[in-house]
Amino acid sequence: AQKITQTQPGMFVQEKEAVTLDCTYDTSDPSYGLFWYKQPSSGEMIFLIYQGSYDQQNATEGRYSLNFQKARKSANLVISASQLGDSAMYFCAMKGGYNKLIFGAGTRLAVHP
Amino acid sequence: SAVISQKPSRDICQRGTSLTIQCQVDSQVTMMFWYRQQPGQSLTLIATANQGSEATYESGFVIDKFPISRPNLTFSTLTVSNLSPEDSSIYLCSVYRQGTGEKLFFGSGTQLSVL
Repeated sequence: AQKITQTQPGMFVQEKEAVTLDCTYDTSDPSYGLFWYKQPSSGEMIFLIYQGSYDQQNATEGRYSLNFQKARKSANLVISASQLGDSAMYFCAMKGGYNKLIFGAGTRLAVHP
Repeated sequence: SAVISQKPSRDICQRGTSLTIQCQVDSQVTMMFWYRQQPGQSLTLIATANQGSEATYESGFVIDKFPISRPNLTFSTLTVSNLSPEDSSIYLCSVYRQGTGEKLFFGSGTQLSVL
């Protein structure tokens, strides 16, 4: 069975500093995809970044990068130069069979001025 | 413009009634996914809706409680039946959109409160 684990219920970061949100996964499928979504207080789900299991390089999207360590089955999200608007819930997710996304429990990030 | 138009955005319903949620996509898609997000929790997949066939439900979700329609490639509805306070959640539809790679788009969600 596939599983996503986010062990940090909450994180704090000072504005302009970098922060890493942890995500580990478990799957027996050789081909899979890993995602990060942001959910602000408005409730919308905002796609941030995607990493395929066969991608050689870590994915980057602007201030977001995914630290993909396949052997350790981890896919941590790194947010550089945090902004107040980054305060939100962050969900790690994995795509497995039938294109279904399985989500982790989430990490609530608070950015302090 | 929005990829998915989901409505209603919120509703307050009485116990024992039903609520039907609609999702309209701006392009044809093969699969639509319905998720539930209980208060303070993560997203849980309810079912996958394919056009022209019965929806596929995840463990713990049944068609009698969550009937789904998928009449065409751009539209789907999810009904939450025989409501109880435990059904109070956010319900979201989502799709993969052609030409956008692996990105799963979400509707804006329906906030359901059951009294």
